[in-house]
Amino acid sequence: EAGVTQSPTHLIKTRGQQATLRCSPISGHTSVYWYQQALGLGLQFLLWYDEGEERNRGNFPPRFSGRQFPNYSSELNVNALELEDSALYLCASTAGLARTGELFFGEGSRLTVL
Amino acid sequence: QQQVKQSPQSLIVQKGGISIINCAYENTAFDYFPWYQQFPGKGPALLIAIRPDVSEKKEGRFTISFNKSAKQFSLHIMDSQPGDSATYFCAARNFGNEKLTFGTGTRLTIIP
Repeated sequence: EAGVTQSPTHLIKTRGQQATLRCSPISGHTSVYWYQQALGLGLQFLLWYDEGEERNRGNFPPRFSGRQFPNYSSELNVNALELEDSALYLCASTAGLARTGELFFGEGSRLTVL
Repeated sequence: QQQVKQSPQSLIVQKGGISIINCAYENTAFDYFPWYQQFPGKGPALLIAIRPDVSEKKEGRFTISFNKSAKQFSLHIMDSQPGDSATYFCAARNFGNEKLTFGTGTRLTIIP
């Protein structure tokens, strides 16, 4: 069974540009989470989608947005990139509301903002 | 606001020793406490988890101890092995909004 897949693996952008990161959950999983992992800050919750709807949002500015598609895949968009957006962005999936603590993570997309 | 405090930030343990990582929380809405293990270049993976109605859970060499009154929980790795070298994150789920909050992580190194 394929795990959570993320693309691209690495992405280099300059300040002010936009970045789009993609995630495919494990087959049968309907919930997708996005986390930002910056050095020394652990995993910071960004967004949670379930059945196509945004369920919860972390303390990030509105330029961080995303969506979930009918096939449950998801994308994260970061507009007006700033240097401090450089981080590893992790996507995770879970089998719906009953399993919200049991996340299966992908290997992440490393975003570098120059 | 950091709702789950994790310590130490890094830990070096000799092979065969016991590794202990501690976490503390304040929010009484947390109802599920998992630990995740992350190897370099990989995403975190669920290692073991506990609910607040039990004080201890053991899976192989890994044990979670949970103290509800003190709002603290810890991970113990018995007979630590070099393959256990990784970053460990504690986490807590809020039953109200289903959000999982992570600690800042502990980088564990097991030396021969």
